[in-house]
Amino acid sequence: GAVVSQHPSRVICKSGTSVKIECRSLDFQATTMFWYRQFPKQSLMLMATSNEGSKATYEQGVEKDKFLINHASLTLSTLTVTSAHPEDSSFYICSARGRTTGAQETQYFGPGTRLLVL
Amino acid sequence: QKEVEQNSGPLSVPEGAIASLNCTYSDRGSQSFFWYRQYSGKSPELIMSIYSNGDKEDGRFTAQLNKASQYVSLLIRDSQPSDSATYLCAVRSSGTYKYIFGTGTRLKVLA
Repeated sequence: GAVVSQHPSRVICKSGTSVKIECRSLDFQATTMFWYRQFPKQSLMLMATSNEGSKATYEQGVEKDKFLINHASLTLSTLTVTSAHPEDSSFYICSARGRTTGAQETQYFGPGTRLLVL
Repeated sequence: QKEVEQNSGPLSVPEGAIASLNCTYSDRGSQSFFWYRQYSGKSPELIMSIYSNGDKEDGRFTAQLNKASQYVSLLIRDSQPSDSATYLCAVRSSGTYKYIFGTGTRLKVLA
């Protein structure tokens, strides 16, 4: 399957600082990337959809000024958590939409970034 | 609101048995259906995708889709302890690339 990487895999930061997470599709061009957040023992919650060259579309309840998303190229999307607070501590996972050999499409997930805000 | 529902489990099966995981969805316009496996502390990995009614087999895994009844299931034959994980059902509705995930079913395969 397609490979998606995330960096960093783990980050600890102080409250009030900003953290940037990178998501890269390594062997395919991803016109669309998705950012999810997962709290312990809960399912994945979609935060936003990121399309290359355009503004991200945020899900209801997600603050666009707090979670800045940039999709600068077909292989890179970044999520910046601004002025992070302890309640932002979570597992952030990106996925990239890739086109398979057929007509169908599948989302491939990155390994995730665990954020801990002290 | 579009929903995807799964029994949270845990579902415990002995090694070598068949594990059956079920998922129901509310949006009749759903087009694509996926099963992901997620180990603790890791991100989901795709196991199966299914798009049309019936069964789809891949090794020890079989996905079953019934659009009329709005359910999709995953069968794991000859279950192994390494299959112990949380299995997430995901559904993509028509006209969107977004997936809606269920809460996942935790599977325990007992050695």
